[in-house]
Amino acid sequence: DVKVTQSSRYLVKRTGEKVFLECVQDMDHENMFWYRQDPGLGLRLIYFSYDVKMKEKGDIPEGYSVSREKKERFSLILESASTNQTSMYLCASSSNHGHSIDTQYFGPGTRLTVL
Amino acid sequence: AQSVTQLGSHVSVSEGALVLLRCNYSSSVPPYLFWYVQYPNQGLQLLLKYTSAATLVKGINGFEAEFKKSETSFHLTKPSAHMSDAAEYFCAVRTLYSGAGSYQLTFGKGTKLSVIP
Repeated sequence: DVKVTQSSRYLVKRTGEKVFLECVQDMDHENMFWYRQDPGLGLRLIYFSYDVKMKEKGDIPEGYSVSREKKERFSLILESASTNQTSMYLCASSSNHGHSIDTQYFGPGTRLTVL
Repeated sequence: AQSVTQLGSHVSVSEGALVLLRCNYSSSVPPYLFWYVQYPNQGLQLLLKYTSAATLVKGINGFEAEFKKSETSFHLTKPSAHMSDAAEYFCAVRTLYSGAGSYQLTFGKGTKLSVIP
């Protein structure tokens, strides 16, 4: 089974802090994604990566950056956390090959609260 | 651009009743469509997907969905609801992200299903 893990289930940070959210997948997937999920808004794509060291902005990249130094790991960085970044953050990965092509596999999520 | 619309942010059904969750899509190309389920405080799990083969797609936990091109719909059904089906359900369409030339998923806003004993 595909396994996507996220470093924390719950995180509480203060305004202005630098926050790192880590995501690791164990299926050698080429693509990795970061979403935020808010009630009534569904999932919104923040950034994605289709290869090591490659990144592309999604629909709401402002206030975020990402890093992908290794194929299995994709980090989301909040340079200076703000209260409007309080949300559920979901990481996902997908493959470009095989019967599960384009199917995204999700981690359990990190619920971030910024005070 | 591809998009999906889920009709009804909340749906309630009685245990044992039919579950029907609606999804309409907009796509300029033959779509790939997905249904995901999210249980409380968990990530999303794939229920089923349509990739232009059979129009009736069977998924996990007794769910199925039918692709209807004429109606641009991909509604999710289950004949008999169980208490464990209470969750949030998301419809998604594969979208070409032109900037990167790669495919993404564009999600609907979700439908929360409640099952009444």
